[in-house]
Amino acid sequence: DGGITQSPKYLFRKEGQNVTLSCEQNLNHDAMYWYRQDPGQGLRLIYYSQIVNDFQKGDIAEGYSVSREKKESFPLTVTSAQKNPTAFYLCASRLPGQGTTGELFFGEGSRLTVL
Amino acid sequence: QKEVEQNSGPLSVPEGAIASLNCTYSDRVSQSFFWYRQYSGKSPELIMSIYSNGDKEDGRFTAQLNKASQYVSLLIRDSQPSDSATYLCAVDSRGSTLGRLYFGRGTQLTVWP
Repeated sequence: DGGITQSPKYLFRKEGQNVTLSCEQNLNHDAMYWYRQDPGQGLRLIYYSQIVNDFQKGDIAEGYSVSREKKESFPLTVTSAQKNPTAFYLCASRLPGQGTTGELFFGEGSRLTVL
Repeated sequence: QKEVEQNSGPLSVPEGAIASLNCTYSDRVSQSFFWYRQYSGKSPELIMSIYSNGDKEDGRFTAQLNKASQYVSLLIRDSQPSDSATYLCAVDSRGSTLGRLYFGRGTQLTVWP
């Protein structure tokens, strides 16, 4: 079955450590996204990539980094520079629309807790 | 920064009632509009997409779009306890930020038996 796989589902990190969240999709989608969600909040865009080897900052990119070396993969690194990284992280992908924007498909999410 | 505003919740309706969820957006040139449902601790799932003015119906769900008023809504008829979730409105972006979706903060819906 096609879908988006995020790992790990739960992650605990000590302050000062970098962590990498994995996102893999087999939907053959060109565009991939990383969102962050805090309790009672909507989704805020961290980074997005519309094509391999290219990505753009979203609204809250500080303290995060990404790479897009393969179409299927879009890992997110939460660096020690991110001051408040405890959150629910969602990876998504979509096909580019022709004149309209296609729907986003989401992975199951990764919940990061900083101890 | 594009803005997507949803009616503040939480919204509580009895089983069998109609739940009405509202969303306004700031970007006049947006073309694509989505409603997602998110259960607690889970990822969002698509309920409806709408691209043209007017109504779009899918089972118990009806999405309504009015681009002139920059307004999109979701009606849930015959609400069921299983509809209890947070509903997120999402709007696309055009121009230099083409390809992005902006999300509202969500409206929490509770359907009580």
